[in-house]
Amino acid sequence: GIQVEQSPPDLILQEGANSTLRCNFSDSVNNLQWFHQNPWGQLINLFYIPSGTKQNGRLSATTVATERYSLLYISSSQTTDSGVYFCAVTPGQNFVFGPGTRLSVLP
Amino acid sequence: DAGVIQSPRHEVTEMGQEVTLRCKPISGHDYLFWYRQTMMRGLELLIYFNNNVPIDDSGMPEDRFSAKMPNASFSTLKIQPSEPRDSAVYFCASSTATGELFFGEGSRLTVL
Repeated sequence: GIQVEQSPPDLILQEGANSTLRCNFSDSVNNLQWFHQNPWGQLINLFYIPSGTKQNGRLSATTVATERYSLLYISSSQTTDSGVYFCAVTPGQNFVFGPGTRLSVLP
Repeated sequence: DAGVIQSPRHEVTEMGQEVTLRCKPISGHDYLFWYRQTMMRGLELLIYFNNNVPIDDSGMPEDRFSAKMPNASFSTLKIQPSEPRDSAVYFCASSTATGELFFGEGSRLTVL
């Protein structure tokens, strides 16, 4: 089946710093989503981005489907950005999740 | 609009007991997914339904697990008998055919 890798596995930032999270996948996909799992365990949709670039406030994402990767940019990070960021992809309908990037933003 | 609704949010039970987790998908979504999250294995798909029909149950760990979707607005995941290794957070999610996935808040199961 399709393999999903995320890097880095862990990231510690000072509040206000910028960061880039990466998702690589092993096969062609129809859909790709980024999720944020907050410290309370909720999985929150960030972007539904099978291709192209989207922006939402301090966050933006780019997927280059032909090269099988996606990037999530977080600018001016805040402590509320802490948690785990998951990339999920699907060649069909059922999403396969990457292992996540654990982000800690320090005040 | 209401999101995906799961119950119970927390369940503590003893080994050997039956556990039933419930899910109400977003209205109009015709795909429903059950995921399990553990520290060791991350988020793994257990089963998914399309129009109430199970499509892929290859992720269901063993015969102790079963899932049903009797109608478009309700699904259950049952574990009988439960074991300590079943302790995890179980998420239900739903989507339309275009594929954007929305998760419920999860059911945290602890089997003693």
